[in-house]
Parts: sequence; C-alpha cells; structure tokens
Amino acid sequence: DAGVIQSPRHEVTEMGQEVTLRCKPISGHNSLFWYRQTMMRGLELLIYFNNNVPIDDSGMPEDRFSAKMPNASFSTLKIQPSEPRDSAVYFCASSRDEETQYFGPGTRLLVL
Amino acid sequence: AQRVTQPEKLLSVFKGAPVELKCNYSYSGSPELFWYVQYSRQRLQLLLRHISRESIKGFTADLNKGETSFHLKKPFAQEEDSAMYYCALSGGNQGGKLIFGQGTELSVKP
Repeated sequence: DAGVIQSPRHEVTEMGQEVTLRCKPISGHNSLFWYRQTMMRGLELLIYFNNNVPIDDSGMPEDRFSAKMPNASFSTLKIQPSEPRDSAVYFCASSRDEETQYFGPGTRLLVL
Repeated sequence: AQRVTQPEKLLSVFKGAPVELKCNYSYSGSPELFWYVQYSRQRLQLLLRHISRESIKGFTADLNKGETSFHLKKPFAQEEDSAMYYCALSGGNQGGKLIFGQGTELSVKP
C-alpha cells in the first residue's frame, strides 16, 4: 500500500482564492482525520470522519473551511475564500477501527 | 479538559547523552498515549504507544498514571534522532481522535 496520499504537496495561492486539498486514505481504513500544523499552534485536529460520516468538526476554524468524504477512498478539505493566516501544513491521516493513525506527507499551503 | 503538555519546545543534547522528552496529560478516564516523530519535512510516524510496551529505535516510554506522565526516554542519543517529537492522547469512545502536545524539537549534536 502506498500509504495515505495527499495532493497537492505544495500550493501557493492569493488571498481570496478557493483552495481544495485532497486525501486518499489507506485502503480498508474507516476513519479519516484532517490536521493543521503551524509554528504557533502546533498540530490541531480540524475534523474527522468515521465510515464517511463527519463525527467531530469542532476544530474547523470557521465557515470558510469545509470538508467532505463522498466515499471511503477520498476526502477533500476546502478553504473559500483563503486568507494569509490559513498558511500552514495540512495533514490527512487514516486509521482502522480506532487503531494507529497513519499520516500523509502533508500539503504545504501558502496564501499570499 | 483533555490536554497534552510538552513543556520543552527545544531539547539539545550531545551524541551519546541520555534523552528524556517530557509529556504530561490531563484526562478524566483511561487514555491511550502515543509518541509520534516527524523527521525534517517528512510525515508524522508513530514511534510507540503505551499499550504495546515496546522499544522502538532505543526509545521507551512508561505511562505513569499517578503523575499523569508519559515521558519518552533513550539512554544514548544518536544524531539521527534529531526530529520533532509529539506526544498524543486518545480517549475511549472518541473514534480514535488524537489530541497532540505542542511538540518538542530534539537536536542531537555531534
């Protein structure tokens, strides 16, 4: 298995633009997590899904952020409109039945 | 409140010296504790979890419920151990949700 796959690996955009981050979890995993990593705040859980259903989105900073998981093999995190303070590394992770989480390589986002 | 605290942002040691990265937690039930490691610009990787009670790359961590701590230790640090280390907590009935500490950067000097 290739592990958790994220795309793009790097994204540079201008303030106000829509940004879509993508994640493909490990096959057979039924939980998916989105995290944001910044120097100031460290690693923060944004939202997680279990069996494609959002369970806890209390970490989503505001309405500009939305996440979907239309099927077991794909999830998106969308920021619209993007702002400079959204610049961070966004990690996706997956797990099976509340076991160990496996992380993707991350998407490094820079909003100018 | 559920919280993980790593009091040191940066820990610098010389090669061959013992290392202890501190982690304290706050949780009302019986948590599961983890250590994740992130080498430079790489993805986070699980280093160890307390229920497995194993030693990975020479690192060990013991859960001390009395002190609510899960410190990571290694008797002799190596330069390749230089990385960010994150302590994380998972509580029961939370779908595997992890709460991370702020991380400690370990720098092992030659």
